Amino acid sequence: EPEVTQTPSHQVTQMGQEVILRCVPISNHLYFYWYRQILGQKVEFLVSFYNNEISEKSEIFDDQFSVERPDGSNFTLKIRSTKLEDSAMYFCASSGGAHDGYTFGSGTRLTVV
Amino acid sequence: AQSVSQHNHHVILSEAASLELGCNYSYGGTVNLFWYVQYPGQHLQLLLKYFSGDPLVKGIKGFEAEFIKSKFSFNLRKPSVQWSDTAEYFCAVNARGNQGGKLIFGQGTELSVKP
Repeated sequence: EPEVTQTPSHQVTQMGQEVILRCVPISNHLYFYWYRQILGQKVEFLVSFYNNEISEKSEIFDDQFSVERPDGSNFTLKIRSTKLEDSAMYFCASSGGAHDGYTFGSGTRLTVV
Repeated sequence: AQSVSQHNHHVILSEAASLELGCNYSYGGTVNLFWYVQYPGQHLQLLLKYFSGDPLVKGIKGFEAEFIKSKFSFNLRKPSVQWSDTAEYFCAVNARGNQGGKLIFGQGTELSVKP
C-alpha cells in the first residue's frame, strides 16, 4: 500500500535555529497537508497545499512557517526560528481529492531545547 | 466554525468488553466523517470513513461507526475489544464538497484494554 514518508523521525534543535521537515507524499496525490500534535493534545491543522500554493492555513501557521514543494516529489515544512513551544510531532498527509481519504506519514518528533 | 467533540478522554476496558466511543461534530453544512487510530509511538491510521450512503460504516479490525445526522454524531463501536486495541482514537471531519479541505480532529480518546 502506498505510504507517506517523513524524515527525519526525530530532530532535536536549539531555540532560534531553522529546521526543515521533509515529506514524500503519495505520488498521484494532489493535496498536501501539515498537522502537528503537541504532547497530550489534539492533532491540529497547520496548512494545506494544492497546485503549488497554500490553499489554507491556520492561525498557528505564522510568518515563522513556510512550505514548499521544490521538486514535484518532496513537500517540506520550514520553521525559520524555532521556539520551545514548537516542540511537537509534525505529521504530513496527502490526499487524492474529495472522495479519497487522507494518508498520514509516521511523523517527525521535533524537540526544541 | 467546525468543531469535533469526543466525550471520553480515557476509557479502560477488559478484553472482550464492548466498546463505544462518542463523537459529535458541529458544522453548518454537510460533512465527511473519519475515525483514525494512533497506536503507541505510531502514526495515524484510518479506521473507517463515511462520505454518503449507508450510515453504518464498517472499517478495519472489526470496528464500525454509525452516522446519526439528527444527532450530529458518529460513534465508534466494536463488539469485543482486544488488548491490541489499546491506542488513541481520533474522530475527524471535513467539509463535503471542499476538494482537499482540511481535517478537523477531536481531542482524542485514549483506550486502555486490560488483558
